[in-house]
Amino acid sequence: EDKVVQSPLSLVVHEGDTVTLNCSYEVTNFRSLLWYKQEKKAPTFLFMLTSSGIEKKSGRLSSILDKKELFSILNITATQTGDSAIYLCAVYTGANSKLTFGKGITLSVRP
Amino acid sequence: DVKVTQSSRYLVKRTGEKVFLECVQDMDHENMFWYRQDPGLGLRLIYFSYDVKMKEKGDIPEGYSVSREKKERFSLILESASTNQTSMYLCAAAPDSNQPQHFGDGTRLSIL
Repeated sequence: EDKVVQSPLSLVVHEGDTVTLNCSYEVTNFRSLLWYKQEKKAPTFLFMLTSSGIEKKSGRLSSILDKKELFSILNITATQTGDSAIYLCAVYTGANSKLTFGKGITLSVRP
Repeated sequence: DVKVTQSSRYLVKRTGEKVFLECVQDMDHENMFWYRQDPGLGLRLIYFSYDVKMKEKGDIPEGYSVSREKKERFSLILESASTNQTSMYLCAAAPDSNQPQHFGDGTRLSIL
């Protein structure tokens, strides 16, 4: 059975801190790994990673994939209260479009 | 940008009722999905569809069915609602299996 594990499950930091969110996976036929941010409504897409060692960056957020050790990290620098959300990691596997999600990491950024 | 619209943000129904959740996407995407999201369990796939009139079971299809009569619309049906189906339901769409899925805002369904 495909498995995606995120850690920690929740995290509280202060504005300006840097955080690292972890996602490990055990799946058959890995295709790509995705990160989403979910505030009160729809999860919004952040990054899609398919190749090891290539960092993807968007503003203060960045992410990298290690296909040998089967994990990815999402970094957020200089955190702001608007970064408070649930961060979801998901993996595409197999020939179809099925995404397997981790349970999510709840990040709270205090002023 | 892809727009995925779910017909209701909040819905309250009674046990035994037949419940329809509607989802419409405006980008002509082939693939559509229904998930439920529960605290401590994350997102779990109920059903998905690759094309009109096609459907595939996800990880937790029991108690649900789906309908895709038109490409832009994917409906989730609770045949006889039960209290353990109280949850947040999320619909998503994607052009193919190499692209990110885009989500609707969700329907928070309560079964009393």
